Amino acid sequence: SQTIHQWPATLVQPVGSPLSLECTVEGTSNPNLYWYRQAAGRGLQLLFYSVGIGQISSEVPQNLSASRPQDRQFILSSKKLLLSDSGFYLCAWRLAASGANVLTFGAGSRLTVL
Amino acid sequence: AQSVTQPDIHITVSEGASLELRCNYSYGATPYLFWYVQSPGQGLQLLLKYFSGDTLVQGIKGFEAEFKRSQSSFNLRKPSVHWSDAAEYFCAVGEGGGFKTIFGAGTRLFVKA
Repeated sequence: SQTIHQWPATLVQPVGSPLSLECTVEGTSNPNLYWYRQAAGRGLQLLFYSVGIGQISSEVPQNLSASRPQDRQFILSSKKLLLSDSGFYLCAWRLAASGANVLTFGAGSRLTVL
Repeated sequence: AQSVTQPDIHITVSEGASLELRCNYSYGATPYLFWYVQSPGQGLQLLLKYFSGDTLVQGIKGFEAEFKRSQSSFNLRKPSVHWSDAAEYFCAVGEGGGFKTIFGAGTRLFVKA
């Protein structure tokens, strides 16, 4: 069966520090991968998605970036965090061949920028 | 561009009472529609989905939703709410043949004894 892992689960970082959140999927090949951010009262905002290794689509211009160095690994990064980057970050995957767009989510990473 | 509106930020119902959570979407073609549930501090779990066919779809945990094309709505219902249903509920629309799933702002459900 397929599983998705996110880490770290919780992170407290000072403004201006770098960020790296990791997400890995097991039990499937060539998944579509997604990063969403959830801020209080604002639902889920799609940040990035990837349909293959090295292929990244950005939905919202900001100081975050994403990379996909391996088929089942998706990384969210920042060189210098802002206070506004605080939130709950969710990684998700779906079958690339599926037009049904059913997403499976990880447990999330809560980032607090102080 | 597609969008999803959940007009109720939060709803409080008594345990055993019925529940309806509203969702309206904007999408040019026939949408793929979803309801997800999120327990505090957790990821999202799929409750149910609509792709085509019968407009009344059944999901897990006794939930159902009805697709009404004329109203661009996909409301979630449950005949009798349990305390364990307290969570945040998200409606979402997926692009047919595309890569994106767009979520509403969510409705937080509180259940009182």
